[in-house]
Formats: sequence, structure tokens, C-alpha cells
Amino acid sequence: DTGVSQNPRHKITKRGQNVTFRCDPISEHNRLYWYRQTLGQGPEFLTYFQNEAQLEKSRLLSDRFSAERPKGSFSTLEIQRTEQGDSAMYLCASSLAILAGHEQYFGPGTRLTVT
Amino acid sequence: AQKVTQAQTEISVVEKEDVTLDCVYETRDTTYYLFWYKQPPSGELVFLIRRNSFDEQNEISGRYSWNFQKSTSSFNFTITASQVVDSAVYFCGHSGNTPLVFGKGTRLSVIA
Repeated sequence: DTGVSQNPRHKITKRGQNVTFRCDPISEHNRLYWYRQTLGQGPEFLTYFQNEAQLEKSRLLSDRFSAERPKGSFSTLEIQRTEQGDSAMYLCASSLAILAGHEQYFGPGTRLTVT
Repeated sequence: AQKVTQAQTEISVVEKEDVTLDCVYETRDTTYYLFWYKQPPSGELVFLIRRNSFDEQNEISGRYSWNFQKSTSSFNFTITASQVVDSAVYFCGHSGNTPLVFGKGTRLSVIA
């Protein structure tokens, strides 16, 4: 396993459609994070999992956003009823949470364009 | 709330010059971690360094060095003898009792 992978890399959708993104973390990593990055900004934390448990989801941008990690391996991020303001890069990262503050390794991101 | 400020939005240097990227943070955590990441034009964030709040020793890795000063809440990053391949956006980050918070980044352009 060479790193975090994300699919698709690009997604163009029409306003009002639902989209789902997938993240496959580094295999031995038990923590998985989702971020959103807009132009000229740093990544903005959305949610994270330790194994299959979602430990923080209050930062999800609205109730249209949801994430799952059903078997503690890959994760999906779904956006329902997309809006143009959802256009951004969605980043996934993973880490090994043996010690707090362990560095996160990022995937290449999924670029979402809502037309 | 935790906050990370990277006051330099863009920096442009000529190849072989040294350059320092500034990072100032605000935190209420007594134990925390500071990070630097590089985002090259390809877009993927690359981890550079993690430093915990109890370790104020400066660190050097090749042409890269980091200066952590708790007294001024700063964690600055210096690239010595810059190269064109150093051109990227660099993000400073903080994590503690809250998830990782990033600054807005500094775009470094190294001109040949």
C-alpha cells in the first residue's frame, strides 16, 4: 500500500444531485479524516473516524453532509442536494492513533464542481 | 479557539536564496502539536514535520529547518538555498484537544 487513495478524482454534478466520494486509507491506519479545501484556503476539518466509530461530526457543514466507515477500512462522504457552494476539493487523510498528534497522510483529493 | 495565522500570503525568491515562512498560533491546550505540510502544484498535501509542545528544540532536515518558540507562539520554517522544486503552498497546522486546524497557507515561488 503506497498511500491514501480517493475516488473519483474529479466529479462534475448538477445542483440538487447527490454525490458520494470514497477514501481508502493506508492499510494499518485506524484513523480516517475528511477535509474540505476551497481556493486560497487551508484544509477545513469536517469529520473523523477511529476504526468504524465516528468520533467528531459537529464540523460537518450541514445536514446534507454525511460520512460512513462501516467496516473500519474505507470511508465514504456523501453530499445530498448539492449546491454551488459545495464546489471544492474534498481531502481524505489517515493516521495511526497510537499517540496523540500523530501525523496525517493525505490523499490526492476529489475535486467537486457543482454546476 | 485554536487559530493558526500565516501572515505571508505569497513569497517570491530567487533560486539559492534562503526563505523563512512564518507561523503564529493561538491555543488553550497545554499539550498540542504543530505541523507543516507542503502542497505542490499537483495538489497532494505532503507531511513535512510534527513538533509537540514540550519539545522546543529546533530541527534541521537537509535544507529545511524549523524554529519553535513557545514564548512567542511561533513555529517558523526556513528553507536554505531554495530550489525551483520548493515552489508550493506551505501550510502550518495545530492540533491538540481539537482536530487539526490549518492556516491559510503561504505560496512560495522560487524563480530560476
